[in-house]
Amino acid sequence: AQSVTQLGSHVSVSEGALVLLRCNYSSSVPPYLFWYVQYPNQGLQLLLKYTSAATLVKGINGFEAEFKKSETSFHLTKPSAHMSDAAEYFCAAFTGGGNKLTFGTGTQLKVEL
Amino acid sequence: EAGVAQSPRYKIIEKRQSVAFWCNPISGHATLYWYQQILGQGPKLLIQFQNNGVVDDSQLPKDRFSAERLKGVDSTLKIQPAKLEDSAVYLCASSFPGAYEQYFGPGTRLTVT
Repeated sequence: AQSVTQLGSHVSVSEGALVLLRCNYSSSVPPYLFWYVQYPNQGLQLLLKYTSAATLVKGINGFEAEFKKSETSFHLTKPSAHMSDAAEYFCAAFTGGGNKLTFGTGTQLKVEL
Repeated sequence: EAGVAQSPRYKIIEKRQSVAFWCNPISGHATLYWYQQILGQGPKLLIQFQNNGVVDDSQLPKDRFSAERLKGVDSTLKIQPAKLEDSAVYLCASSFPGAYEQYFGPGTRLTVT
């Protein structure tokens, strides 16, 4: 069964610093991978997705993620954090065989002045 | 384009009471999902509909949860009777059939006391 692991339930960075949120998946077949962001009291918004095209994926709000098959990873990065980036981020994997979107447990990002 | 609509946004009930949530997907999206998101966890799929048919309800606690999508458009999720552990955010999402990208509503936050 597909599983998604997000290392670090809480990450804190200074405004202007690099953001790195980690995600690893377990699957013998590379899945389709997603990063979603959830602001307080809101639903999930898609940041970016990997669907077996380019391994470096650019998303909204300056975020990007790189698919690394050898490491089974799909880490999310942003060169310079902004206060408005404070939110919870979820990595998710979709495998056609399972026909199901599996989410990680989320990483709460805090941005400090 | 209107997004996924959900109501109510918040609900507080006592254990053993019943509650119902409503979802209206994006126009044209034949696939509809209900997720349960417990605090500190990622969303977990409860049930998936394709038009008015159930595709996957393997994780739906059928002794107390039920869902319907009678006309293949909007959907209702019901809990009867509620337990304390049902306290969570219930998210509705929709997508085109076979599409990987799901669009989420704002969710309904349920508190069972």
